Amino acid sequence: ILNVEQSPQSLHVQEGDSTNFTCSFPSSNFYALHWYRWETAKSPEALFVMTLNGDEKKKGRISATLNTKEGYSYLYIKGSQPEDSATYLCALQTTGNQFYFGTGTSLTVIP
Amino acid sequence: DTEVTQTPKHLVMGMTNKKSLKCEQHMGHRAMYWYKQKAKKPPELMFVYSYEKLSINESVPSRFSPECPNSSLLNLHLHALQPEDSALYLCASSPLAGYQPQHFGDGTRLSIL
Repeated sequence: ILNVEQSPQSLHVQEGDSTNFTCSFPSSNFYALHWYRWETAKSPEALFVMTLNGDEKKKGRISATLNTKEGYSYLYIKGSQPEDSATYLCALQTTGNQFYFGTGTSLTVIP
Repeated sequence: DTEVTQTPKHLVMGMTNKKSLKCEQHMGHRAMYWYKQKAKKPPELMFVYSYEKLSINESVPSRFSPECPNSSLLNLHLHALQPEDSALYLCASSPLAGYQPQHFGDGTRLSIL
């Protein structure tokens, strides 16, 4: 079992603030790094799939970067809105097509 | 609405019961997954099916028995479960090749009495 860690565990920010959180993972057997957004009572929703060292992806106000050599990825949210409140999960996909999830960062955006 | 449908949404069963969880997708995905998720913990991979064949079994107890009757359907048969098996069971699917995200169902909330 590979250990994927996310920090912080939870985060409260004011509406309009920008924020970021971290996903750390072992570099061995790396195939891809996935980010998901999981709202309460809904299914996890895919945000990004990142594969190459130095990758940077953007979707609206959300962006992510990847460093496979040191084993981390950052997720950034610019100008947080209440609808961004959710748990953000990262998952390491290995070359053997196994997926290891982190515990998630729970984000609450206060209006 | 999710493109992966899981039924039932909630299930309460006794330790001697036999029940099944069902997962269905019609996106043409050839990989399907079962995860177990307990509160404040990450989803844990249980099984992976590729082209309807079991490709990964993450040392799951035999009281959980997966079945993939066709490329659209994935079942999880439950028998003689323990209270610690109470959890959210998530199903996901993905295209087999390439860097593709998984599509998740809403999950089945299982409670063992």
